[in-house]
Amino acid sequence: EVLLVESGGGLIQPGGSLRLSCAVSGLSVSSNYMTWVRQAPGKGLEGVSVIYSGGVTQYTDSVKGRFTISRDNSKNTLYLQMNSLRAEDTAVYYCATSPTQGYWGQGTLVTVSS
Amino acid sequence: DIQMTQSPSTLSASVGDRVTITCRASQFISSWLAWYQQKPGKAPKVLIYQASSLKSGVPSRFSGSGSGTEFTLTISSLQPDDFATYYCQQYNTYSETFGQGTKVEIK
Repeated sequence: EVLLVESGGGLIQPGGSLRLSCAVSGLSVSSNYMTWVRQAPGKGLEGVSVIYSGGVTQYTDSVKGRFTISRDNSKNTLYLQMNSLRAEDTAVYYCATSPTQGYWGQGTLVTVSS
Repeated sequence: DIQMTQSPSTLSASVGDRVTITCRASQFISSWLAWYQQKPGKAPKVLIYQASSLKSGVPSRFSGSGSGTEFTLTISSLQPDDFATYYCQQYNTYSETFGQGTKVEIK
């Protein structure tokens, strides 16, 4: 069984930093396309960042230079380091695999507010 | 960036209706398109990948078609469990974006 479990969300002040984690079991983060997707309250889905099996990364324009996606193969865990957080980054953050595999975590809420 | 335009944004339908949702890409994406269903408070669930491949375990009343820039999700006979929000997603090389969503409501 494949499981993705996110953690690390919470309330943070504007300008602060958070690191989200996604612990994966049942498949290897190093050999799969892994992604972070977010959903602001009452809004649609937004792709935030992707890391491909070869290590290439991609970011949506609004987070470039502020967010960094990475993975720890020994822990089989995906990360999203989020710096210089803004109110508009408030959302539920999901980790997910490629659409072909179709596995998603339950999400972790990040609230950026003073 | 590739933009995905989904229509309609809201759809009112009855149980048993045939429902069609359209997604248009701003650039050629071949068949790198997926469809998701999301219910309130839950993570999205993939229904279709690679434009027309039905995910294992998804009912056969769901189908996807199209390639290039124009894609369609069809529900052949709407069931009570299908009232939800649906999203398309393109995942062309080194790029990934979602449509704005279509909420399917009870008529």
